[in-house]
Amino acid sequence: AQKVTQAQTEISVVEKEDVTLDCVYETRDTTYYLFWYKQPPSGELVFLIRRNSFDEQNEISGRYSWNFQKSTSSFNFTITASQVVDSAVYFCALSEETSYDKVIFGPGTSLSVIP
Amino acid sequence: SQTIHQWPATLVQPVGSPLSLECTVEGTSNPNLYWYRQAAGRGLQLLFYSVGIGQISSEVPQNLSASRPQDRQFILSSKKLLLSDSGFYLCAWTRGGDEETQYFGPGTRLLVL
Repeated sequence: AQKVTQAQTEISVVEKEDVTLDCVYETRDTTYYLFWYKQPPSGELVFLIRRNSFDEQNEISGRYSWNFQKSTSSFNFTITASQVVDSAVYFCALSEETSYDKVIFGPGTSLSVIP
Repeated sequence: SQTIHQWPATLVQPVGSPLSLECTVEGTSNPNLYWYRQAAGRGLQLLFYSVGIGQISSEVPQNLSASRPQDRQFILSSKKLLLSDSGFYLCAWTRGGDEETQYFGPGTRLLVL
């Protein structure tokens, strides 16, 4: 069973629109970490955020914000006032306490911001 | 600060030829190291990971192998490349222990013809 689901394969928005990327995870561990990574066209994965399972406080960093809800096993990522430079593939990932050595990545969401 | 390097950046190889991709990390010691492959338009597939020198765990049985001859060096190899080996190969590291945030290298684009 897929442990990290990103149901949106591709999203297109017009510049300055807000966009939310969905991430749903599955784990039996009580301690785990969630991540978001950005992969621009150059290919390198850029780490954006890490959130542990005991910290449900939402986080905002500039135009980026993250909404962590354990009740729905979701860790959604919102970009406000999107820009063309936000065009990339975004990966959500999970690291479980029972296997910290490995990170489970979702399939990714390709975001295109149209000028 | 820590940096991770991969080379070559791009590689075009004929089917049946050998392969050696290298990954090195600077600025840290005893990292966990990882090799991922990403086929065109697809997600990340974990190939190998290593928690120490000479310690390799394989996630997917295939014609690839990995080695860790030094603490901060991770090598991905093949004796005979297949067409299906084409893809984008990413190396990543973590500090190990409970520090599981993975930091990625710039990647190597491999095209097997």
